[in-house]
Amino acid sequence: DAKTTQPTSMDCAEGRAANLPCNHSTISGNEYVYWYRQIHSQGPQYIIHGLKNNETNEMASLIITEDRKSSTLILPHATLRDTAVYYCIVSHLPYGQNFVFGPGTRLSVLP
Amino acid sequence: DADVTQTPRNRITKTGKRIMLECSQTKGHDRMYWYRQDPGLGLRLIYYSFDVKDINKGEISDGYSVSRQAQAKFSLSLESAIPNQTALYFCATSRGFNNEQFFGPGTRLTVL
Repeated sequence: DAKTTQPTSMDCAEGRAANLPCNHSTISGNEYVYWYRQIHSQGPQYIIHGLKNNETNEMASLIITEDRKSSTLILPHATLRDTAVYYCIVSHLPYGQNFVFGPGTRLSVLP
Repeated sequence: DADVTQTPRNRITKTGKRIMLECSQTKGHDRMYWYRQDPGLGLRLIYYSFDVKDINKGEISDGYSVSRQAQAKFSLSLESAIPNQTALYFCATSRGFNNEQFFGPGTRLTVL
């Protein structure tokens, strides 16, 4: 599976949109992009995933570039409870054995 | 009640001891996973199971074994614990051809 690269940390003001980037330049045609987050030392929480179209759910939006080499997770109105480590993962379906959680991006939402 | 539970939540043990971590789920999912997380790092896959009696090695299976005797239960054993197995251990489940994994609360294991 393709490797991902994310910034180590980011800050965002409360109430503003948080835009978390992820590079996955070696992604192949049948690989999906997943986003999870981990609040403190709790179990990771699924946020969203997509293949090539932009996706939106009640938590976030996922924007995937046309060449699929990068993506952005958008939290439209960040709150203090969104402070967490966010993981971008690229994986085939259904091969969960290759689900690799890298170090992720530590997002701090500031009051 | 939580959908994915792990017991114990915290455990301190000594080098050389055998220890078992338990995971139970009420989600009815067929796939279950064990991960470990070291401080400041992401999660690494230890073992996974796609169904009862199905066992597959992950990235870091050495020193660990697992058992899946029932769909709802997946246990992780450390045959002879060593200090570098001190970590946070997570169990996760998913259903069929879907990588939306649901995680348990974690077990903090310390090996002295």
